[in-house]
Amino acid sequence: EAGVTQSPRYAVLQEGQAVSFWCDPISGHDTLYWYQQPRDQGPQLLVYFRDEAVIDNSQLPSDRFSAVRPKGTNSTLKIQSAKQGDTATYLCASRGDRGGQDTQYFGPGTRLLVL
Amino acid sequence: SQWGEENLQALSIQEGEDVTMNCSYKTYTTVVHWYRQDSGRGPALIILIRSNEREKRSGRLRATLDTSSQSSSLSITAAQCEDTAVYFCATDPSGSWQLIFGSGTQLTVMP
Repeated sequence: EAGVTQSPRYAVLQEGQAVSFWCDPISGHDTLYWYQQPRDQGPQLLVYFRDEAVIDNSQLPSDRFSAVRPKGTNSTLKIQSAKQGDTATYLCASRGDRGGQDTQYFGPGTRLLVL
Repeated sequence: SQWGEENLQALSIQEGEDVTMNCSYKTYTTVVHWYRQDSGRGPALIILIRSNEREKRSGRLRATLDTSSQSSSLSITAAQCEDTAVYFCATDPSGSWQLIFGSGTQLTVMP
């Protein structure tokens, strides 16, 4: 079974540039989450979807961040006008049933460095 | 122990030793998740303990949960080099897997 895939794996930007992260969840998982993980800290939830609907985006840091999941499958997280403080790993996770247990599966993440 | 805005803690042990990592949480939860994260990879769930379970075991792992003190622990018996990773506890106050992660413990197991 394929896991959660993310691209790109790495991104390096100058402040003010825009960047998009792409996530392909596990097939059949209707719930998708985006987390931000600063260096040496735990992941922090940004937004999550059920199918194509945003359920909670209250933790998105600012209006520079946006996320979509138009067909209820793949998702894109975008940062407009990136700042140095956005430097972190961005993790995507999807949730579904495995062997009778509901579990959240994480992708490998995209490491973002804003110079 | 780990929580909140604290940075990653570090713990180093010898192969074969037992180790316990502690987690204190602030928000109400009925379940505590423990994840491990290997370098360059996303977190992976290793054990989940619910409020009606005081202890749960999975192989060499043992998790405990004390809802009265809002604390949980993860123990690894006879640690091996491949147990080297960052370990996080996470709570789920909403019950919808909107996880709140602790700051993590970097465990290094030396041969």
